[in-house]
Amino acid sequence: SAVISQKPSRDICQRGTSLTIQCQVDSQVTMMFWYRQQPGQSLTLIATANQGSEATYESGFVIDKFPISRPNLTFSTLTVSNMSPEDSSIYLCSGKETGGGNGGYTFGSGTRLTVV
Amino acid sequence: AQTVTQSQPEMSVQEAETVTLSCTYDTSENNYYLFWYKQPPSRQMILVIRQEAYKQQNATENRFSVNFQKAAKSFSLKISDSQLGDTAMYFCAFEVGDMRFGAGTRLTVKP
Repeated sequence: SAVISQKPSRDICQRGTSLTIQCQVDSQVTMMFWYRQQPGQSLTLIATANQGSEATYESGFVIDKFPISRPNLTFSTLTVSNMSPEDSSIYLCSGKETGGGNGGYTFGSGTRLTVV
Repeated sequence: AQTVTQSQPEMSVQEAETVTLSCTYDTSENNYYLFWYKQPPSRQMILVIRQEAYKQQNATENRFSVNFQKAAKSFSLKISDSQLGDTAMYFCAFEVGDMRFGAGTRLTVKP
């Protein structure tokens, strides 16, 4: 099954700044997803990233705050813009494999973001 | 909209015993996939087991098995011969196009 490398694994950022999280997949995936997870809680879908088109955002998430790029089938970035302490969370990317693999989805190891 | 409900925030089990984690979901779709994922403190999401809704036979993976009741929209996970390494958060997930997760159950296996 595919393997996703997610960077950075953690960061501490000043409020008002932006952080870009990268996910690199070792094989092609049809769709990529970005999730937010508060420690000890569930994963909330932020957006679906499709290659060659704009990302599709879930209710409560907007492109100006969480711009996403998907330049090809193996790479995506999520930017957390103009950060505030409320953005402190874990962010995970996921990819849906083209061939089914281990059940179709693989996950990055997450980015723990702390905004001070 | 699809929703996934896990009604057990925390559970514990003695090593070598059996435990069942509950999950219910709501959907108007007929074809979909259900998953159980394990998330240890490392944060890595690890697929435990997967069930296609069109298959009546319950999925099994070694010590892990599911009880899939499509009419009742229920998808429970049974862990047999629990091991200390099974201690983790367990998430039930539903997939049609994208994946939605339940709130999770924190499982502790006690020695």
